[in-house]
Amino acid sequence: DAKTTQPPSMDCAEGRAANLPCNHSTISGNEYVYWYRQIHSQGPQYIIHGLKNNETNEMASLIITEDRKSSTLILPHATLRDTAVYYCIVRDRGLGGADGLTFGKGTHLIIQP
Amino acid sequence: EAQVTQNPRYLITVTGKKLTVTCSQNMNHEYMSWYRQDPGLGLRQIYYSMNVEVTDKGDVPEGYKVSRKEKRNFPLILESPSPNQTSLYFCASSQPGGAGANVLTFGAGSRLTVL
Repeated sequence: DAKTTQPPSMDCAEGRAANLPCNHSTISGNEYVYWYRQIHSQGPQYIIHGLKNNETNEMASLIITEDRKSSTLILPHATLRDTAVYYCIVRDRGLGGADGLTFGKGTHLIIQP
Repeated sequence: EAQVTQNPRYLITVTGKKLTVTCSQNMNHEYMSWYRQDPGLGLRQIYYSMNVEVTDKGDVPEGYKVSRKEKRNFPLILESPSPNQTSLYFCASSQPGGAGANVLTFGAGSRLTVL
């Protein structure tokens, strides 16, 4: 799996958009970008994934740069419940979840009231 | 509701007393796996299963056993627990096939303390 780099922590005001960056400069052509989050001591929760096009779902948007070396997860209207550790994972689609995702240290996002 | 259910959620036990943490999923997923999470070490995979009767070691399998007799269940067995197995445990499942194979559904976690 390609290595990812994320800031250790970020703050965001409640109601604002939270933009979480991730660098993955060694990403290969078959590798997708996945985002998960973990609210304190709960099970990690899948958020979104993408290959090269921008993606949006009910939770977030994922913006991937044209060269695919970095991406940004956007939570459009952050709430206090979005305070969590956010993990960016780069992984080939063929490996499957059974073969151990590498979660890294992630970004601790703190939403301020 | 699609979910992964783990039991017990909390357990305090003593060294050497065999225990089993159960995991069940209702999504008909073929992949299932167990992770442990420790401060400063992040999430590490213990064992995984590609399908019924197919299991394999993850990164930290020592001291654990698993079985996969039915698609929905994947119990984690600690035959002789030791204090270094005190941890937060998560079961997860996913369905093979393309990018979605890496979309894991996790259980709520089982916090185990071995005295």
